Amino acid sequence: DAGITQSPRHKVTETGTPVTLRCHQTENHRYMYWYRQDPGHGLRLIHYSYGVKDTDKGEVSDGYSVSRSKTEDFLLTLESATSSQTSVYFCAITEWGALNYGYTFGSGTRLTVV
Amino acid sequence: SQQGEEDPQALSIQEGENATMNCSYKTSINNLQWYRQNSGRGLVHLILIRSNEREKHSGRLRVTLDTSKKSSSLLITASRAADTASYFCATDRRTSGSRLTFGEGTQLTVNP
Repeated sequence: DAGITQSPRHKVTETGTPVTLRCHQTENHRYMYWYRQDPGHGLRLIHYSYGVKDTDKGEVSDGYSVSRSKTEDFLLTLESATSSQTSVYFCAITEWGALNYGYTFGSGTRLTVV
Repeated sequence: SQQGEEDPQALSIQEGENATMNCSYKTSINNLQWYRQNSGRGLVHLILIRSNEREKHSGRLRVTLDTSKKSSSLLITASRAADTASYFCATDRRTSGSRLTFGEGTQLTVNP
């Protein structure tokens, strides 16, 4: 989607290895989010950020960490990947204070942990 | 458990027919949103309805919200094959900041 890109698009990694997914936006939006999507669970929030160096946990944050050192980048790190973290990961952005705006989603990263 | 739960899980209709999807939620909300996801793609925002609104229209889309029943419906009129996708409702409970909670979605198939 325009204004938000995720990298990589696909990744296969081994159990126990660290993995970092990147979300980059050009919209200067304050709010950024990481979700995971699994069959039967819809989208679940992992971590979110309300600004540079301002991050917080979502409902499924165990095993994940995030960092946001610049407005445009929000990194999601799996410290030691496990098979249960095989999923499709989506980044989303929205404007600050605009509670009546929808989210813009990236195209997703398909992660397979073998 | 999911804050938003869609019903039905799957819906198959013919082109030209109307499609109705329902969403129920459990707690009070600030707004409710509907998203579409085509296979292998990210979610696309369709429409947002605030807690003090009862109905909203956007093109062929009509959304209703009943806060007393904690439910919403999405109506797509005169459906097209291109409407084939998964549709998700998402609720936002916050009055400052924003955190969307998604349901599991309805898979809509529109047959030509």
